[in-house]
Amino acid sequence: EVQLVESGGGLVKPGGSLRLSCEVSGFSFSSYSMNWVRQAPGKGLEWVACISSVSSYIYYADSVKGRFTISRDNAKNSLYLQMSSLRGEDTAVYYCAKGGGYYDFLGDNWGQGTRVTVSS
Amino acid sequence: DIQLTQSPSFLSASVGDRVTITCRASQDISSYLAWYQQKPGKAPKLLIYAASTLQSGVPSRFSGSGSGTEFTLTISSLHPEDFATYYCQHLNYFPLFGPGTKVDIK
Repeated sequence: EVQLVESGGGLVKPGGSLRLSCEVSGFSFSSYSMNWVRQAPGKGLEWVACISSVSSYIYYADSVKGRFTISRDNAKNSLYLQMSSLRGEDTAVYYCAKGGGYYDFLGDNWGQGTRVTVSS
Repeated sequence: DIQLTQSPSFLSASVGDRVTITCRASQDISSYLAWYQQKPGKAPKLLIYAASTLQSGVPSRFSGSGSGTEFTLTISSLHPEDFATYYCQHLNYFPLFGPGTKVDIK
């Protein structure tokens, strides 16, 4: 069974930093791209970042470029999102999602999400 | 930049109804489109990818069609568990999501 479990969310002050983790099991992690997608309270889904299977390609949404860094450790079956210079508009539930083979940006399996609140 | 719009934004329907949701892209995206279902407090669930390919385990009452700039998600007969919000997503760069369509109980 494919499982993705996010952690690391919490309350952080504007300008602060936070590192999210996503630990996966049930599939060959090193064979798939991975994505972070977020959802602000009461809003729709916003794609944040994507990393290819062996970190060859990395993509970011303009809203987080230069502030967030996506990375992965295939030996640990783990995906990360380092977030810095956090703003109120980064407040959201952050989901990790497994890429869909041919479609890197497809989320064919998702974690339960971790909540990030940016507030003073 | 590609834009995705969904219509309607809100849909009130009854169990057993046939429901159709439309997603329109501002430029030709071929078949690079997916559909997701999301229930309150839960993660999205993939329903359809490549515009019309049903994800494994998804009931056959869900179907997708279209290519280019206009796509549809159809639920042939609405079940109680189908009341949710539905999103389309462009599957190439930039992987934008549509604004969502909430399907509510009439």
